[in-house]
Amino acid sequence: AQSVTQLGSHVSVSEGALVLLRCNYSSSVPPYLFWYVQYPNQGLQLLLKYTTGATLVKGINGFEAEFKKSETSFHLTKPSAHMSDAAEYFCAVTRNSGNTPLVFGKGTRLSVIA
Amino acid sequence: KAGVTQTPRYLIKTRGQQVTLSCSPISGHRSVSWYQQTPGQGLQFLFEYFSETQRNKGNFPGRFSGRQFSNSRSEMNVSTLELGDSALYLCASSLGFRDKQETQYFGPGTRLLVL
Repeated sequence: AQSVTQLGSHVSVSEGALVLLRCNYSSSVPPYLFWYVQYPNQGLQLLLKYTTGATLVKGINGFEAEFKKSETSFHLTKPSAHMSDAAEYFCAVTRNSGNTPLVFGKGTRLSVIA
Repeated sequence: KAGVTQTPRYLIKTRGQQVTLSCSPISGHRSVSWYQQTPGQGLQFLFEYFSETQRNKGNFPGRFSGRQFSNSRSEMNVSTLELGDSALYLCASSLGFRDKQETQYFGPGTRLLVL
């Protein structure tokens, strides 16, 4: 069974500081990994995804994530936080094998301090 | 292209009642998935439909059911509502079913409050 662990339910950074949101996954086969963002009273929006190929994935709004198989990690980073980045972020995993749904982590709430 | 739409956006019901939520996928998308989001459990998968057939089901009791119509629109039903069913119900659509690389596009959700 697949699972996702997001370290830190709440992360607070200053505006302009580095954003680092941690995600570790468990999967017995090569995973497909996703980061989604959820703003208040809205659904989820895809930031980026890793399926195959280049392990450093660039997404929208200046975010990127690196797939590290040896560490079973897919951490999300952004060099400089903006106030508009304040939201909840979800890491998710699935695999191209069988009827496998997306499995989400518990989420990390990002606060950006002016 | 219009996004995923969900109706109603907000709903208040009392224990024991039943409720039906609706989801219209992005035009051309044939797969619809449903998720329940609560502060305690996070996002949990309910079920996935493709070509009017349930393809996958999460670990929820039989009170939770769904269906998909020939135009890919989907409904989910919860019977005999319990207080713990209060949640944000999210619908997501994607082009197909087999290729898990495909992005799921989420609707804004239906917030259900059970009193």
